[in-house]
Amino acid sequence: DSGVTQTPKHLITATGQRVTLRCSPRSGDLSVYWYQQSLDQGLQFLIQYYNGEERAKGNILERFSAQQFPDLHSELNLSSLELGDSALYFCASSVDSLNTGELFFGEGSRLTVL
Amino acid sequence: EDQVTQSPEALRLQEGESSSLNCSYTVSGLRGLFWYRQDPGKGPEFLFTLYSAGEEKEKERLKATLTKKESFLHITAPKPEDSATYLCAVREYGNKLVFGAGTILRVKS
Repeated sequence: DSGVTQTPKHLITATGQRVTLRCSPRSGDLSVYWYQQSLDQGLQFLIQYYNGEERAKGNILERFSAQQFPDLHSELNLSSLELGDSALYFCASSVDSLNTGELFFGEGSRLTVL
Repeated sequence: EDQVTQSPEALRLQEGESSSLNCSYTVSGLRGLFWYRQDPGKGPEFLFTLYSAGEEKEKERLKATLTKKESFLHITAPKPEDSATYLCAVREYGNKLVFGAGTILRVKS
């Protein structure tokens, strides 16, 4: 158990819909990272937050947005969903913002868009 | 574009048959190379960090090494429980972690 909690574990929705994925980091970790993993793309970095502020941005679509709240949990919002958005979405956390590489990953939220 | 390439894509070993996985990278300003293990349906689990050429790290049957252009993950006398996908990642300027596609390892008893 990494200590990172993600909900929901599975989500099935239709094209055009909007969903929210939730992540609670390990106790004491200030940084939260979101990754997308699909069969053809591998693990892709989306965005990082540190103590409530956006710190780094990767290949995140404009239809996607995220935020980190004062209690340090984070939410990833996916809107106008397309079939190609079906993937595993991982949240990870670390102590600092320097991205030392030692990230603790949750078990992921599997999104299926029909 | 910065790239991380892992080979082979898949590897089947008999229990006790040692082998190596490769991770080659082309990034500007490498600030660390990392190995992770991922079991099916789970999130990646951190294994090693390597920062400079010549550095080595060991953990049980795994040893990671780093050169200026690539890293190897050596698996000595593997057991079935070592079966997993092994991911390599590099950290570049801007603090972004770039992951490779991974090597799927299957160890048969």
